[in-house]
Amino acid sequence: ETGVTQSPTHLIKTRGQQVTLRCSSQSGHNTVSWYQQALGQGPQFIFQYYREEENGRGNFPPRFSGLQFPNYSSELNVNALELDDSALYLCASSPTSTRNNEQFFGPGTRLTVL
Amino acid sequence: KQEVTQIPAALSVPEGENLVLNCSFTDSAIYNLQWFRQDPGKGLTSLLLIQSSQREQTSGRLNASLDKSSGRSTLYIAASQPGDSATYLCAVSGNTGKLIFGQGTTLQVKP
Repeated sequence: ETGVTQSPTHLIKTRGQQVTLRCSSQSGHNTVSWYQQALGQGPQFIFQYYREEENGRGNFPPRFSGLQFPNYSSELNVNALELDDSALYLCASSPTSTRNNEQFFGPGTRLTVL
Repeated sequence: KQEVTQIPAALSVPEGENLVLNCSFTDSAIYNLQWFRQDPGKGLTSLLLIQSSQREQTSGRLNASLDKSSGRSTLYIAASQPGDSATYLCAVSGNTGKLIFGQGTTLQVKP
């Protein structure tokens, strides 16, 4: 069984640029959530996708957007990058969107904004 | 608004010691609580999931308890080893399906 994978591993961008991060969910999982983890902090929920529809959003501005594809893989897009967007971006998948399901995390993408 | 707190922020113990990590949350209306391990610069590894109807879960040397009414969970690590050195995060899931995390406890186990 393949776990959650994310690409790229590391990324360096400059302020004002746009970035796309990718996530492949674990086999059999149809729900993907994205989190942002600043250095020394716990992860913060960005949004969740269930069967290609956004299913909840955290306190992040609209320049953070996402997609989920028919194979349940997902993208996180961030426009107009700011220095504070530098963080580890984590993707998690779960079998369904119900509250009782365990979430499984990928290795993350480290984004640095200069 | 749900808030999750982990105490202590950092802990250093000699190898072989039994230890307890604490997690508290302000809103008892949770669906489950999950403990994770995170190695430096890496993703999160799920250790234990406790559903709201459960009191504890065990996996090997790890035991997690949940007291919803008091808003507390503990992660007990028996016979600690240097390989247990990592940051341990707890997270609660409420009616929105998102996980709300504490800031973590960074554990160092000295040989």
